[in-house]
Amino acid sequence: QKEVEQDPGPLSVPEGAIVSLNCTYSNSAFQYFMWYRQYSRKGPELLMYTYSSGNKEDGRFTAQVDKSSKYISLFIRDSQPSDSATYLCAMTLASGNTPLVFGKGTRLSVIA
Amino acid sequence: EAQVTQNPRYLITVTGKKLTVTCSQNMNHEYMSWYRQDPGLGLRQIYYSMNVEVTDKGDVPEGYKVSRKEKRNFPLILESPSPNQTSLYFCASNPLFRGVVYNEQFFGPGTRLTVL
Repeated sequence: QKEVEQDPGPLSVPEGAIVSLNCTYSNSAFQYFMWYRQYSRKGPELLMYTYSSGNKEDGRFTAQVDKSSKYISLFIRDSQPSDSATYLCAMTLASGNTPLVFGKGTRLSVIA
Repeated sequence: EAQVTQNPRYLITVTGKKLTVTCSQNMNHEYMSWYRQDPGLGLRQIYYSMNVEVTDKGDVPEGYKVSRKEKRNFPLILESPSPNQTSLYFCASNPLFRGVVYNEQFFGPGTRLTVL
C-alpha cells in the first residue's frame, strides 16, 4: 500500500461547482496536513495547512482532516476557471526535520 | 520579492555530460531541498540540507550530489546524467522556527531536464 494515495483525475467541473479533492494515507503518525496547488509550468504553492483533525476554512477553500479514517479532503466552493491546476496533498510526521510525503496530485479543470 | 530561483529552467543534455542546476533563495531559510517530479510518481525528495555544510539523502538520491557552502545556495549536481534522470526538478526552502523545520515549503519554478 502506498503511503499516500490520491486520485490523479483528471477532474473536470463546470464553473460554480463545489469540488471535493481527497487523499488517504496509511501512516497514523502523520500530524500535519497540507494542500498545495500547482499551475502548469510552475512550482507548487501552499494553499492550506492543518494540524491533526478538524476543519480549516480560508475563503472558498475548506480543508478537512479525519485522522480516525486516515482521510483528508479539500473543498473548493464556487469554483472558478482560475482554480484549474493540479492539487497535491502532503503530510508529515511532526513539525520538524521530517520530509513531506506528497500525493501524486489531482488535475482539476474548471470549465467556464 | 521573496522567492526561490532555479537555473536553467530548461536543459537538454547527453548521457554522461556533467551538469549543475543552481538554486538560490532570498528568504534566509535554513532548510533547502531538491525534488524530482515524474508522471505517475509525484514529487520525490532527492536531497535536503538543514543548514550550511549539512546535507542528507532523501528518498531518491542515487546519481545526484548536492553542496551547501552558503545559506542561500543549494546546487544539484549530476556527475554523469542518464536518461532515467529526465524529469522536472524543483528546489524548495523552509524556514526554521525555534530550531525546527517549519512545514510551509516555498518552491522554485522548476527545471525541466532531458537527458538523451
